[in-house]
Amino acid sequence: EDKVVQSPLSLVVHEGDTVTLNCSYEVTNFRSLLWYKQEKKAPTFLFMLTSSGIEKKSGRLSSILDKKELSSILNITATQTGDSAIYLCSPIFITDKLIFGTGTRLQVFP
Amino acid sequence: SQTIHQWPATLVQPVGSPLSLECTVEGTSNPNLYWYRQAAGRGLQLLFYSVGIGQISSEVPQNLSASRPQDRQFILSSKKLLLSDSGFYLCAWRAPGNGYTFGSGTRLTVV
Repeated sequence: EDKVVQSPLSLVVHEGDTVTLNCSYEVTNFRSLLWYKQEKKAPTFLFMLTSSGIEKKSGRLSSILDKKELSSILNITATQTGDSAIYLCSPIFITDKLIFGTGTRLQVFP
Repeated sequence: SQTIHQWPATLVQPVGSPLSLECTVEGTSNPNLYWYRQAAGRGLQLLFYSVGIGQISSEVPQNLSASRPQDRQFILSSKKLLLSDSGFYLCAWRAPGNGYTFGSGTRLTVV
């Protein structure tokens, strides 16, 4: 059975802290992995990772995929209150099927 | 430009009533279409996805069904809603070679 596990489930930090969110997956016919940020409604796209070991960066956010370990991490440095959200990890299958992990709820307090 | 429309935004329905949620995509052709449900504070559960007209893959056995009567239209239905069907329903699409985009979602409350 295809499985995606994210950890921690919930994280509370203060502004300025650095956080690392984890995603591990066990899926057949894996192709790529996506990270999304969900605030109030629809998730918004952060990263697509296809190749192992290549870090993608966008401002204070960065992410990397490890295909050998079947995992990915999302780092957020110098967190801000606006980073408070649920962060979702999503493996894509060769068939274009797209599933999501349980999500990590991040709360950043001033 | 490519856009996705999902409606209604909120819906309150009694137990046992039917359901029809519609999702349409504009500005593209032959998109892959997806229906997800999100329970409060949880991740997105894939319900159905479709790679073409009339082609529906069901991921979770339940009292929901999906149909794709036109290339850019994806409908989620139920004949009789259960309390457990309450949640946030999201439609998403992917055109070949592009990323995935979500609709604005429908918050369904079954009472």
